[in-house]
Formats: sequence, C-alpha cells, structure tokens
Amino acid sequence: GENVEQHPSTLSVQEGDSAVIKCTYSDSASNYFPWYKQELGKRPQLIIDIRSNVGEKKDQRIAVTLNKTAKHFSLHITETQPEDSAVYFCAASNRGSTLGRLYFGRGTQLTVWP
Amino acid sequence: NAGVTQTPKFQVLKTGQSMTLQCAQDMNHEYMSWYRQDPGMGLRLIHYSVGAGITDQGEVPNGYNVSRSTTEDFPLRLLSAAPSQTSVYFCASRYNSNQPQHFGDGTRLSIL
Repeated sequence: GENVEQHPSTLSVQEGDSAVIKCTYSDSASNYFPWYKQELGKRPQLIIDIRSNVGEKKDQRIAVTLNKTAKHFSLHITETQPEDSAVYFCAASNRGSTLGRLYFGRGTQLTVWP
Repeated sequence: NAGVTQTPKFQVLKTGQSMTLQCAQDMNHEYMSWYRQDPGMGLRLIHYSVGAGITDQGEVPNGYNVSRSTTEDFPLRLLSAAPSQTSVYFCASRYNSNQPQHFGDGTRLSIL
C-alpha cells in the first residue's frame, strides 16, 4: 500500500517568516494530495489540495507544489502569523485497489513565535 | 447541511463495557472512515467503507467492529472496552477518492 512520510515533525518560525513542510509518497498511482490543519482540541480541516494534473496551487498565503517524478509534495506558508500555529497533516490517495483510503503523514507541529 | 455528525462528544467507560460511537453524514458521500488519534501518533485508520454494505480494515482494526447498512451512517462498535482504547475518535467522509475528506468534531473516549 501507500506510504506517506512527512518532515519535519516540528517546526518553529518567527512571525512573518515562511514555513515549508515536505511529504513523500511511494505509490505512483496516487493522484490526490490534500493538506489538513488541526488546531488544539479541534478536528482536522482541509486547507488546500492538489491533483496530479497540476504542479502548483496557491490560495492567498498558502501554496502546495507537486513533483510527480520525484513523488513529493510540499506545503508553503508565507508571512506566517501566530494563528498559523497548529499541526499540519499531508495525505495521499488514488483510485487503485485501496479505493477510498486516504493515507496520512504523521504530522508537523508548527509554532509561530510573535 | 450538517456535514459529519458524531455522537457522543465525550464518554467514560469501564473496562469490559461495550458501546457504539455514532457517525452520520448528510452529504451523500460514499466513502466513510474511522480514525483514532493519540498524542503524538497522528491519525490512525481503524476501518473504512466505500459504500453501503462494503467495509474494510485499516491499520488498527482489532477490538472494533463496523457495519454500513445505509449511505448516511457508519457506527463504530467497541465490543469489550480496554484502557488502550482511550483516545479521540474521528469519523470522516468524502464523495470519492479524488475529493476532500470532511471530519466530524470527534468523540473523546476514556476507559477506566
């Protein structure tokens, strides 16, 4: 099955700096890559996603890039703010034998210092 | 449109008791999943379903049963609760494998 690795596990940045979280996946059939943000005590919420026919996608201060050849994708947050502090999860899924299953990375705890 | 609704929000059980965590969605999603989340362990898949009558095991299925008799509901049953099952449980659903997954608010379960 699919294996999603996420790095780093913790990340501390100063307010205003950029943050980058990287994920790799193992199954070349994976074609959908969402990112989730989970604040303390809350449910994971989708912040951005990308499909395999696109190399990059932006939404205000958040962007995701995908390199299908190298099988990795990254989350970029610019001009970080204290409210960006949370755990971020990457994930991957495909239309193969594990149809319906979303494979998650282990999460990155992002702390933004004012 | 309520999204994914989980009940109860909190529950305390004694070892050996059984209970069912309820999950319902009103978005006509075919795919539904149950995860448990322990401190520092991320989201671990317990069971998932790709439609009514179809379920499969995830990473940590032992001690849990599921069934999917309708598109809307996907209950998770603990047959004989153990302290190791103390966790936060999230139910999630999505339309298909190429669409976002939506999570419920979670059930915080403590087993004494």
